[in-house]
Parts: sequence; C-alpha cells; structure tokens
Amino acid sequence: IAGITQAPTSQILAAGRRMTLRCTQDMRHNAMYWYRQDLGLGLRLIHYSNTAGTTGKGEVPDGYSVSRANTDDFPLTLASAVPSQTSVYFCASSLTVSTDTQYFGPGTRLTVL
Amino acid sequence: GQNIDQPTEMTATEGAIVQINCTYQTSGFNGLFWYQQHAGEAPTFLSYNVLDGLEEKGRFSSFLSRSKGYSYLLLKELQMKDSASYLCAVTDSNYQLIWGAGTKLIIKP
Repeated sequence: IAGITQAPTSQILAAGRRMTLRCTQDMRHNAMYWYRQDLGLGLRLIHYSNTAGTTGKGEVPDGYSVSRANTDDFPLTLASAVPSQTSVYFCASSLTVSTDTQYFGPGTRLTVL
Repeated sequence: GQNIDQPTEMTATEGAIVQINCTYQTSGFNGLFWYQQHAGEAPTFLSYNVLDGLEEKGRFSSFLSRSKGYSYLLLKELQMKDSASYLCAVTDSNYQLIWGAGTKLIIKP
C-alpha cells in the first residue's frame, strides 16, 4: 500500500441500509479525516481523529459515525442511509492535526436510492 | 460564519497565464492551502502559505495577504493538463480546514 486507500470505489445502496466505508493509510499519520463533496459545495468535514483512540465531530456529522482503533484505519459508518447522503466521500490524513498538509484517498462514490 | 470565496469557473488559453483569486473570512488563520482536483479524482496538494508574500513553485505561484484576507494562485504557461478544479482552503483557529467550493479552470487550445 502506498498512501491512502478507500473501499469500495463506488456503491449503490438502498435507503435504510447500513454501510461502512473503509479507509486505510500506511504513512503513520496521526490525524485522519472524512469529507463529503457535493456539486457546487466545498469539501465538508464529517468526522476527524487527531490520534488513534480519539474522534471528533466536523461540520456535518449527523447520520455518520467513525472509530479509530489503530493508527492506520478510520472507517466511516452510515447507520441507516438516506438519499441526502448520496455524495463522494474522501478520506484524508495528515502527520498531525495542526497545519500539516492533508493527503487524500481516491474517494468513494455513494448513491443512496 | 466562516467563508471562503472563489470564482466558480474560469476559462484560459493554452500557453497563457491565469490568476485564480480566493478571499476568506475565518475565525483565526493558521495558513492557506491550494489544491488541484481533476474531474473524478482526489484533491492533490499544490501550495501552502502562512506568511504574506509570493511562493513560487515551477509554473505555479501562490500569493497571500493576511491583512486583506486574500490569496491568489497564478498558473503560467498553461497546459491542457491544467484543466481541473482549484480548491482554496484556510486553517482556522481550531486547526480545521475550511474549504472553498473550488474554481473550475477550462483550458482552450
């Protein structure tokens, strides 16, 4: 693995279903982030983690949850998907939570019907 | 509230120069980033400014004026591969990145 990987690449999901988006980084970065990107809007932060074992809420956390059991993995779970969660989801990481550059995974395109 | 403004779309000619502006109003300032994002791909880092002035990196330069809440990205000798969206983002007082909606740059031959 080099950098950040996300899975799946794309997914079509029925409303009400549970879904987990996976994110793994091999750069030993302490901080990780989940964003959603919608047409005409900037990247919006869903949840973040400053270091393994801690998580925090971003700008749009409702309907999403995260965990950070170790340094490398930062899964995002939609407990009961709704059509408004149709979006492109990007995972990112940075060495620390301060002013360090964030590096992005390739993204997951999610459609909720 | 926090706000990042940049033009929605710009068009330029191959070989020319284009300047993409970004103005911001945030709670605190700890640096400004420019990212490039090709259609269907992830954002990739271009530049970082935390002090006033111009940072040059090959064909790309980025300028910051903290007193004016203003930055620009300057792209010289435009190539077709520069067709992409350019995202401006500011690190606020809580060290969270606030993102602009991005500027879609269209390069014409």
